[in-house]
Amino acid sequence: SQKIEQNSEALNIQEGKTATLTCNYTNYSPAYLQWYRQDPGRGPVFLLLIRENEKEKRKERLKVTFDTTLKQSLFHITASQPADSATYLCALPFSGSARQLTFGSGTQLTVLP
Amino acid sequence: NAGVMQNPRHLVRRRGQEARLRCSPMKGHSHVYWYRQLPEEGLKFMVYLQKENIIDESGMPKERFSAEFPKEGPSILRIQQVVRGDSAAYFCASSPEEFGVGVQPQHFGDGTRLSIL
Repeated sequence: SQKIEQNSEALNIQEGKTATLTCNYTNYSPAYLQWYRQDPGRGPVFLLLIRENEKEKRKERLKVTFDTTLKQSLFHITASQPADSATYLCALPFSGSARQLTFGSGTQLTVLP
Repeated sequence: NAGVMQNPRHLVRRRGQEARLRCSPMKGHSHVYWYRQLPEEGLKFMVYLQKENIIDESGMPKERFSAEFPKEGPSILRIQQVVRGDSAAYFCASSPEEFGVGVQPQHFGDGTRLSIL
């Protein structure tokens, strides 16, 4: 069955450093992958979408890579700030239904001042 | 430019009662999705609807749960005869009509936190 793993439940880094979060998947060949941010008590907020034919995508301090051979996506936040502290979720379309997203359990990032 | 609106934000019910959760999608969005998030767990897909149609309900329990998205008004997730295990955060998301399947991000509301006494 399809499975998504975000390999760190929690990640603490110093302000100004680059945070790197990992999303691995198995038994998938997704056409795209999405990253969301979720703050406590709030709904997820869309950050980036990367398609299977794109190796890398950037948006301001955010960068996402998508390696379909390794079945892995990396999510980078450069020059991290305490305001970046949140839970980050990766999501892929369910193979049986392109509109049904399957979410990873998330990585809780804390940026220490 | 309002986002996805969910109400109520918090809902308390006693076992056996009915819970009705409402979701107004973003303006111009015709696709609605419901997800459930249990404590310390990830978001789980429940149901996907377009106006007046249920497209995919594969993640929704067969009993006690139903969803609708009428021509006029918000989408409703209804849980009948609630049990303690229904306690969770329920999130609604919406997306616009699109020309390529599955390439639009979903925009989420801030959820309804359902507590069953």
